[in-house]
Amino acid sequence: AQKVTQAQTEISVVEKEDVTLDCVYETRDTTYYLFWYKQPPSGELVFLIRRNSFDEQNEISGRYSWNFQKSTSSFNFTITASQVVDSAVYFCALRDYNTDKLIFGTGTRLQVFP
Amino acid sequence: DAGVTQSPTHLIKTRGQQVTLRCSPKSGHDTVSWYQQALGQGPQFIFQYYEEEERQRGNFPDRFSGHQFPNYSSELNVNALLLGDSALYLCASLLRTSVGNEQFFGPGTRLTVL
Repeated sequence: AQKVTQAQTEISVVEKEDVTLDCVYETRDTTYYLFWYKQPPSGELVFLIRRNSFDEQNEISGRYSWNFQKSTSSFNFTITASQVVDSAVYFCALRDYNTDKLIFGTGTRLQVFP
Repeated sequence: DAGVTQSPTHLIKTRGQQVTLRCSPKSGHDTVSWYQQALGQGPQFIFQYYEEEERQRGNFPDRFSGHQFPNYSSELNVNALLLGDSALYLCASLLRTSVGNEQFFGPGTRLTVL
């Protein structure tokens, strides 16, 4: 069965601190996609990144970076120099190659204090 | 270019009633998926519509049904409402690309069942 685990329920940091959000996934598929979404208080899920199972290259986009390790089934997300506007719930999600169904974790609530 | 829109924003119903939620996909998107997000949880896939037919379905009872119209907009219907149906209902429209299928989420409809 497919499953996504986000063990961190809530993280609080002070502005300018770096923070890493953990994501561990389970799947029997050899081909799959991993995602991170941000959900601000407004409720809309905002797409941040997609990574396919063939591409283990880490990625950096501005203050965001992602570390994908198939050996440990992890897809962690780091925010460098956090800002108050980063406060939101962050979801990691898994999708197999042949369907559009996203399997979400339970989310990590990030609070960044000034 | 308008994003995914959903109506209404909020809705209050009582147990046993029926509800219809609406979604308009992004321009050019022909596939719509519906997700249910209970408080403090990640979204769960309900079903997906493409070419006016239900193509994929999650683990939801038959009380949950849907429809897609020729203009690609979609409705989610829930019959015989239960207290446990209280949740944020998210609609996602799909853009099929050569590198994968990207889902764009709407702001959601918050349903409260009393």
